[in-house]
Amino acid sequence: AQTVTQSQPEMSVQEAETVTLSCTYDTSESDYYLFWYKQPPSRQMILVIRQEAYKQQNATENRFSVNFQKAAKSFSLKISDSQLGDAAMYFCAFMEGHSGYALNFGKGTSLLVTP
Amino acid sequence: DAGVIQSPRHEVTEMGQEVTLRCKPISGHNSLFWYRQTMMRGLELLIYFNNNVPIDDSGMPEDRFSAKMPNASFSTLKIQPSEPRDSAVYFCASSFGVGSEQYFGPGTRLTVT
Repeated sequence: AQTVTQSQPEMSVQEAETVTLSCTYDTSESDYYLFWYKQPPSRQMILVIRQEAYKQQNATENRFSVNFQKAAKSFSLKISDSQLGDAAMYFCAFMEGHSGYALNFGKGTSLLVTP
Repeated sequence: DAGVIQSPRHEVTEMGQEVTLRCKPISGHNSLFWYRQTMMRGLELLIYFNNNVPIDDSGMPEDRFSAKMPNASFSTLKIQPSEPRDSAVYFCASSFGVGSEQYFGPGTRLTVT
């Protein structure tokens, strides 16, 4: 079974600054997908970014980008120009390529954004 | 599109009662997932369906839990009888295609007293 580890239970960043959230995973698969989801206090799960393991190029969505290191099994999320609305729990998730359906989530990182 | 719809948003019930959670996936999606979120265990997959057929129910905690998907636009998760340790937020999510992102509903917060 795949495991997803988020080693930072809490992180803090000042508005307009940059923060990086860490995620590592353990798998013997070569084909898989990785995701970051955001969960604000409303508890709605919102997709932030998706990465396909066979693509070497790091995914980017506006102020959000990832550093995908396949050999190291690392998938960190960088948030640039942090905004107050970025405050939330962030979950890293793994999906197998073969079955390609179910998500395996990490425990999450709580991000605090200070003015 | 209205997104994934779940009802009720909140449910408070007494131990021993039957609880039914409902989900309407996004139109056109062919996979549906039920997750449970607790402080202790985080987000756990309970069961998922592909084309209305249950594919993996290994996450269902015990026989008290059951899920059905009678058609492409509706699914239920039933707990009978409910216990206090079932208190959690239950999410439904849907997707289309292998490896695609899942879209989550707003969740149902279940409290069993």
